[in-house]
Amino acid sequence: AQKVTQAQTEISVVEKEDVTLDCVYETRDTTYYLFWYKQPPSGELVFLIRRNSFDEQNEISGRYSWNFQKSTSSFNFTITASQVVDSAVYFCALKTDSWGKFQFGAGTQVVVTP
Amino acid sequence: DTAVSQTPKYLVTQMGNDKSIKCEQNLGHDTMYWYKQDSKKFLKIMFSYNNKELIINETVPNRFSPKSPDKAHLNLHINSLELGDSAVYFCASSQVVLGGGDQETQYFGPGTRLLVL
Repeated sequence: AQKVTQAQTEISVVEKEDVTLDCVYETRDTTYYLFWYKQPPSGELVFLIRRNSFDEQNEISGRYSWNFQKSTSSFNFTITASQVVDSAVYFCALKTDSWGKFQFGAGTQVVVTP
Repeated sequence: DTAVSQTPKYLVTQMGNDKSIKCEQNLGHDTMYWYKQDSKKFLKIMFSYNNKELIINETVPNRFSPKSPDKAHLNLHINSLELGDSAVYFCASSQVVLGGGDQETQYFGPGTRLLVL
């Protein structure tokens, strides 16, 4: 069975602090995909990144960076120099089978105060 | 230019009523989904259609019936609405590639906020 755990329910930081969101996944499949989505207060779900199981290269996009480690089944997300606009719920998701069934984590609420 | 659109955005209705939510995508994807997000923000898949064929049906009450007239549309009809149906319903689409591939990302609509009174 597939499972995604986001143990942090809420993280509060002051602007310009870095924040790391943890994501731990479980699957027996050797091929899988990991995703991060952002849900700002307006409610839409915004795709941030996809990572394939056979590509452990970390990625940086502006202030966002992702650390994928198969050895610990983790796909963590770091926001550097956080801004108020980063305040949102962030979801980690896992996809294994070919028919698109996503398993979402419970989400982590990030609150950035000025 | 909206990739995945849903109507209505808000839906307030009385218990026992029947309502529909419509979803359309212009991304050329062949697979569409309905998710339910509860008050605790938990996202759970309800249904998935691939080329108008139902492929995922997660233990959802029979009162929920999806319909896909073509691969660009996936509607959700709910009969006899109950208080517990109050939630945000998201439509999503993706291009499924057997064996996986870069097209696997799901793109979500803006959500429909359903409130049953």
